[in-house]
Amino acid sequence: DTEVTQTPKHLVMGMTNKKSLKCEQHMGHRAMYWYKQKAKKPPELMFVYSYEKLSINESVPSRFSPECPNSSLLNLHLHALQPEDSALYLCASSQDLVERVAFFGQGTRLTVV
Amino acid sequence: GESVGLHLPTLSVQEGDNSIINCAYSNSASDYFIWYKQESGKGPQFIIDIRSNMDKRQGQRVTVLLNKTVKHLSLQIAATQPGDSAVYFCAEIYYGQNFVFGPGTRLSVLP
Repeated sequence: DTEVTQTPKHLVMGMTNKKSLKCEQHMGHRAMYWYKQKAKKPPELMFVYSYEKLSINESVPSRFSPECPNSSLLNLHLHALQPEDSALYLCASSQDLVERVAFFGQGTRLTVV
Repeated sequence: GESVGLHLPTLSVQEGDNSIINCAYSNSASDYFIWYKQESGKGPQFIIDIRSNMDKRQGQRVTVLLNKTVKHLSLQIAATQPGDSAVYFCAEIYYGQNFVFGPGTRLSVLP
């Protein structure tokens, strides 16, 4: 099983809403990532978790709050987002930070209205 | 390098021809490279990888070539099929750091 599952697939939220994106993998991977991808652009790294600890925060605004409840799950909590935050949010996992081939989920298409 | 244009570079090839997608990477110390394929509405899918101590690696219908002298990576797809139509990203990794995606190339397969 090389699958990373993201829910929901689509999300529309208002600027005052609080929502969460979820990501799950059962490959035993110990590194998990959140990426943001705008149209016609490559994915941009947001956060990296290694062994359930936040390893990298690429200067992401605090309205995005990651959480790693266990080695299989990764959440991204969203609050007070702006319309420019509308994008495809991708979750990925890799065996660890040394073996770096990352497997991506299908993404959550987020629209902020 | 960075892409600041509104449009992805596009490569159009006839079905059955070979495709060559190029990528210039930025960090001469990068030691690992990956090619990803991203179809519309989907997440990136791993295609093939290569370490910096190699200059060529082959997979099924795909070959990656690495030229460290000029910091250039290429992906060759043999007998291109309609299902190969997608955006292709190269990614470079420097040990201990996180990988950086290139700007991407859209491959369009013509019937």
